[in-house]
Amino acid sequence: SQQGEEDPQALSIQEGENATMNCSYKTSINNLQWYRQNSGRGLVHLILIRSNEREKHSGRLRVTLDTSKKSSSLLITASRAADTASYFCATIQGAQKLVFGQGTRLTINP
Amino acid sequence: NAGVMQNPRHLVRRRGQEARLRCSPMKGHSHVYWYRQLPEEGLKFMVYLQKENIIDESGMPKERFSAEFPKEGPSILRIQQVVRGDSAAYFCASSRQGGRRNNEQFFGPGTRLTVL
Repeated sequence: SQQGEEDPQALSIQEGENATMNCSYKTSINNLQWYRQNSGRGLVHLILIRSNEREKHSGRLRVTLDTSKKSSSLLITASRAADTASYFCATIQGAQKLVFGQGTRLTINP
Repeated sequence: NAGVMQNPRHLVRRRGQEARLRCSPMKGHSHVYWYRQLPEEGLKFMVYLQKENIIDESGMPKERFSAEFPKEGPSILRIQQVVRGDSAAYFCASSRQGGRRNNEQFFGPGTRLTVL
């Protein structure tokens, strides 16, 4: 089955609110990555968290990793309309194969 | 410093025709990956190539699909005798090195294939 399952599948919030997306995975990992995909576009790498890290920040993004629960969360604070996109978590299997979840579709309402 | 380039951005083919998708990695990158994305789904790995070598093709369908990354020129994903189920977005990514678990892959804008 697919490594990296995100929930919720869709999330709609008001501009300025915080958005939290979760990801679970099945096998052991060296790192977990989060990507953003705007409609009809390619993927943009947001952040990578290593297996020995518990939390990482990048601007308005905060990622946590709990290897005991095999889960990660992505928090976007003070959301903006431009944050509307699909967000995917991904883990690496084998020699560099990225395995993606189904994604969370985030809609920020003005 | 151009990113990963893919062309064409949109490709329309009739059933039975061949589709050729091209990917030029970022400058200095010698590792290329192809992924396929069906509507409303995440990306699924197809193949990982280095120059003139296929490293991992575990995600490639057994028939009609092939990929290459020649010494000179772009990487090519070739789909022969396309069927409607091949309609998808095909993304290419590249990385500077392979075999390192924390090596970042940079994605191109994708080629959207539509089979009529």
